[in-house]
Amino acid sequence: SQQGEEDPQALSIQEGENATMNCSYKTSINNLQWYRQNSGRGLVHLILIRSNEREKHSGRLRVTLDTSKKSSSLLITASRAADTASYFCATDAYGAGSYQLTFGKGTKLSVIP
Amino acid sequence: EAEVAQSPRYKITEKSQAVAFWCDPISGHATLYWYRQILGQGPELLVQFQDESVVDDSQLPKDRFSAERLKGVDSTLKIQPAELGDSAMYLCASSLSDFSTDTQYFGPGTRLTVL
Repeated sequence: SQQGEEDPQALSIQEGENATMNCSYKTSINNLQWYRQNSGRGLVHLILIRSNEREKHSGRLRVTLDTSKKSSSLLITASRAADTASYFCATDAYGAGSYQLTFGKGTKLSVIP
Repeated sequence: EAEVAQSPRYKITEKSQAVAFWCDPISGHATLYWYRQILGQGPELLVQFQDESVVDDSQLPKDRFSAERLKGVDSTLKIQPAELGDSAMYLCASSLSDFSTDTQYFGPGTRLTVL
């Protein structure tokens, strides 16, 4: 089952603009992670934010986390054509003796040159 | 930079045939995962290994799917017999351990088409 739900499902912007994607989840978490997937390829880890953190930066990425609203957002600033990909949030849960990730359905981002 | 290797990259098979996918994790990674990703969806965990032991296979359809990691290094996922609904991307990932903060590194995936 999918724990996280990304919004919007698809986003199209011009190069240089900022892109914001949102993720909502249902149960308590330890961490929330964001991954990128280029078309037909594997996923690449972007950033992890712990449940006691509210904001985290990595290069052109800014992630926020609001545990009271069970939501997170990923902001990509000054987008480039190479940022075109699907972006997934993943929440962790402890089950069967270890931590496991549950991914959302993703936001498909298109950056137009 | 070390990567997770998967083969084959693409597989086309007819229903009722057997298929097998192979994964070689990053050296030293104790935890290995197999995910299935249906087009337009996020990956869903099928099975998780810690070294050679299965930690969780609750989402693995055991009547037709099997997975093994005999020496705690590389792993094989098998489907027998394949069904039309098995068409998907099969992703392998590995991490140093199963701590929640350990990054999972994904391979390029195997795209399975069942005709």
